[in-house]
Amino acid sequence: GIQVEQSPPDLILQEGANSTLRCNFSDSVNNLQWFHQNPWGQLINLFYIPSGTKQNGRLSATTVATERYSLLYISSSQTTDSGVYFCAVDSGGYQKVTFGTGTKLQVIP
Amino acid sequence: KAGVTQTPRYLIKTRGQQVTLSCSPISGHRSVSWYQQTPGQGLQFLFEYFSETQRNKGNFPGRFSGRQFSNSRSEMNVSTLELGDSALYLCASSHGTVGTGELFFGEGSRLTVL
Repeated sequence: GIQVEQSPPDLILQEGANSTLRCNFSDSVNNLQWFHQNPWGQLINLFYIPSGTKQNGRLSATTVATERYSLLYISSSQTTDSGVYFCAVDSGGYQKVTFGTGTKLQVIP
Repeated sequence: KAGVTQTPRYLIKTRGQQVTLSCSPISGHRSVSWYQQTPGQGLQFLFEYFSETQRNKGNFPGRFSGRQFSNSRSEMNVSTLELGDSALYLCASSHGTVGTGELFFGEGSRLTVL
């Protein structure tokens, strides 16, 4: 099956700093999503981005499908950005989604 | 527009018991998929239902089963619980069209098996 790798696994940032999270996948995909898991466990949608670039406030994402990677940019980080970020890909249809291992982000004041 | 609703949010069971979890998708969504999250294995796909039919299944034993009703609500059942079944169970809904579809997740059901 498809392999999804995220880097870095852990990241500590000072409030106000910028960061880039990476998601590599081993095969072509139909869909790609980025999620932020809050402390209570819920996965919050950030981007649905099978290709191209999207921006939402301080966050933006780029997926280069031909090179099989996606990047999530966080600018001017805030303590509320702390948590685990997952990318998830759907390569086989019927929503059989494969999640990456996540990047645990801690933003300190 | 109401989001995905999962019940119960927390539950404690003992080994050998069975459990049923419920998921109500976003109105108009016909696909419901289930995922298990554990510290050791991460987020893993369990199964997906569309119009009351299971379309896809992950690599889990037969103790894990599910169903979908005509109103798109879904339930999953785990029989003969084991300690390793302790996990956060997440449900997602989407429109369900093949090859498309943004997933929206509920808050999860956190199961502890003692």
